[in-house]
Amino acid sequence: EDKVVQSPLSLVVHEGDTVTLNCSYEVTNFRSLLWYKQEKKAPTFLFMLTSSGIEKKSGRLSSILDKKELFSILNITATQTGDSAIYLCAYSSGSARQLTFGSGTQLTVLP
Amino acid sequence: SQTIHQWPATLVQPVGSPLSLECTVEGTSNPNLYWYRQAAGRGLQLLFYSVGIGQISSEVPQNLSASRPQDRQFILSSKKLLLSDSGFYLCAWLGTSGGKTYNEQFFGPGTRLTVL
Repeated sequence: EDKVVQSPLSLVVHEGDTVTLNCSYEVTNFRSLLWYKQEKKAPTFLFMLTSSGIEKKSGRLSSILDKKELFSILNITATQTGDSAIYLCAYSSGSARQLTFGSGTQLTVLP
Repeated sequence: SQTIHQWPATLVQPVGSPLSLECTVEGTSNPNLYWYRQAAGRGLQLLFYSVGIGQISSEVPQNLSASRPQDRQFILSSKKLLLSDSGFYLCAWLGTSGGKTYNEQFFGPGTRLTVL
């Protein structure tokens, strides 16, 4: 069965810490792996990864995909309180690029 | 630029009542449209998707239905709500806007539904 597993489920850190969020997946018709950030309402897009070993970077956030091990990580360096959110991992598959999501990682950054 | 609207923002409905949630997209034509539901503390579950007018695919059997009467309009409905229909309903789109093709989905603001 196709699925996405994220770990840890929740994480509490202090400002300035570096965090690594994990996402493993099993899918038969893989197109890409996506990361979203969800604060109060709608998820906002962070990264889309299609190739192994190529790091995507945006400011303090970065992500990489391992298609052989079916794994992705999201790194956040020098965390800030504004990074507190649920981070969602999803894979895209099928002709309509449907998304299958994991349960998310709840990140709390304390001042 | 593209924008996606959902209404209402919040809704409280009694068990057994009907439901209609609307989603419209601006700034794109012939997008793929999607309905997701998020239960409290959980990830998003895909309910329906549509690749064109009148074309609806259902991912899970349930008490809900979807329709796409116009290119940029996607409606989620139910004839009789159940307690288990409570959740946060999100509409999303994927496609072309301003000459650029997007392969990632963009989400609307969502509707928080409580069934009592």
